[in-house]
Amino acid sequence: KAGVTQTPRYLIKTRGQQVTLSCSPISGHRSVSWYQQTPGQGLQFLFEYFSETQRNKGNFPGRFSGRQFSNSRSEMNVSTLELGDSALYLCASSSASGTGGLAGLNEQFFGPGTRLTVL
Amino acid sequence: KNEVEQSPQNLTAQEGEFITINCSYSVGISALHWLQQHPGGGIVSLFMLSSGKKKHGRLIATINIQEKHSSLHITASHPRDSAVYICAVIFYNTDKLIFGTGTRLQVFP
Repeated sequence: KAGVTQTPRYLIKTRGQQVTLSCSPISGHRSVSWYQQTPGQGLQFLFEYFSETQRNKGNFPGRFSGRQFSNSRSEMNVSTLELGDSALYLCASSSASGTGGLAGLNEQFFGPGTRLTVL
Repeated sequence: KNEVEQSPQNLTAQEGEFITINCSYSVGISALHWLQQHPGGGIVSLFMLSSGKKKHGRLIATINIQEKHSSLHITASHPRDSAVYICAVIFYNTDKLIFGTGTRLQVFP
């Protein structure tokens, strides 16, 4: 089975711009979670999508949004970029089910990440 | 407050040594994960556990629910074990994965 893929792997943007990152989960996985990793804050949970619905969200401003498509592929969008948004953005998929099977209660399979630099 | 603490922050070892990394958390949890992150960023899930002990090759993870503590052990360490090891938990009162700050391990030949 192919692993989780993320595109692009590297991205450079300037303040005020917006960015869209893409994540393709492992085939058959319907849960996709997004995480932000920075040197200062470490790893932080952004949100989780299951069957095209956001079912969990971390403590991030509304500039961070996401969506999931019918084929389980997910995108996250950051609008009005700030310098502090520079980070490694990771997505993970899991075989979490719809019946209360939150992603964190199942093994997570991580993608290689997208490294975003905001200048 | 939901907190996860790892110790030590940094660890160096000689090849072959037995290694222990610790993770403590503040309140009751539903599950605990141990993750491994290599330079370059890729993260691999090592274990997910909610009680007892799990073993995979040279890696052993244990959890003590009463003491709110988990340990990750590496037997016969090898330079390829050099990585950052991260503990993450889901607390009973939240649905979100909360991560520790990680332990950076370097194993020298």
